[in-house]
Amino acid sequence: DGGITQSPKYLFRKEGQNVTLSCEQNLNHDAMYWYRQDPGQGLRLIYYSQIVNDFQKGDIAEGYSVSREKKESFPLTVTSAQKNPTAFYLCATGPVGYNSPLHFGNGTRLTVT
Amino acid sequence: DQQVKQNSPSLSVQEGRISILNCDYTNSMFDYFLWYKKYPAEGPTFLISISSIKDKNEDGRFTVFLNKSAKHLSLHIVPSQPGDSAVYFCAATPNNAGNMLTFGGGTRLMVKP
Repeated sequence: DGGITQSPKYLFRKEGQNVTLSCEQNLNHDAMYWYRQDPGQGLRLIYYSQIVNDFQKGDIAEGYSVSREKKESFPLTVTSAQKNPTAFYLCATGPVGYNSPLHFGNGTRLTVT
Repeated sequence: DQQVKQNSPSLSVQEGRISILNCDYTNSMFDYFLWYKKYPAEGPTFLISISSIKDKNEDGRFTVFLNKSAKHLSLHIVPSQPGDSAVYFCAATPNNAGNMLTFGGGTRLMVKP
């Protein structure tokens, strides 16, 4: 059964610590995306990758880093440089080159205190 | 500058009646539009989409209308059901953006029994 999995669902960290959120997909899509949702707001794009070993900054990339070593995996690291890291993080995947809906994971809620 | 706007943060509708959710956009390069439904602490799920070559797309109880000259689209849900209560996001992408979606801020729909 194909899908996209994010883990963990809830994550708690102390301020100043880096934390890595996992995203894995077995839909065989080339593109993967990280979005952030804040209360009462829409989804904002952090980073995206359309091919292995390549990724691009989205609208709010500062304080985040990613890697794309495998087609199936696109982990996001929230660094201590991110000023407001507490948020709901969503990973998505989809094809490249033609219009098609993105498939989203169920998200990771990160709380930094 | 928000390129996709949903000006109504919330909407309350009686069960069985029509729900109309609205979305406006400013980027004339957008040519593929989608609606996603989201429950709390879950990822968005794709609902319906429309290409700019059409002005209407229907799928069961859900119909999306696109008015390109007004840069406006709307989602109609008829009849509304309590299970439709969720946050609805409008999203758009240009033809050459590889499905990189720009989202509106969302509208919370409450369908009262």
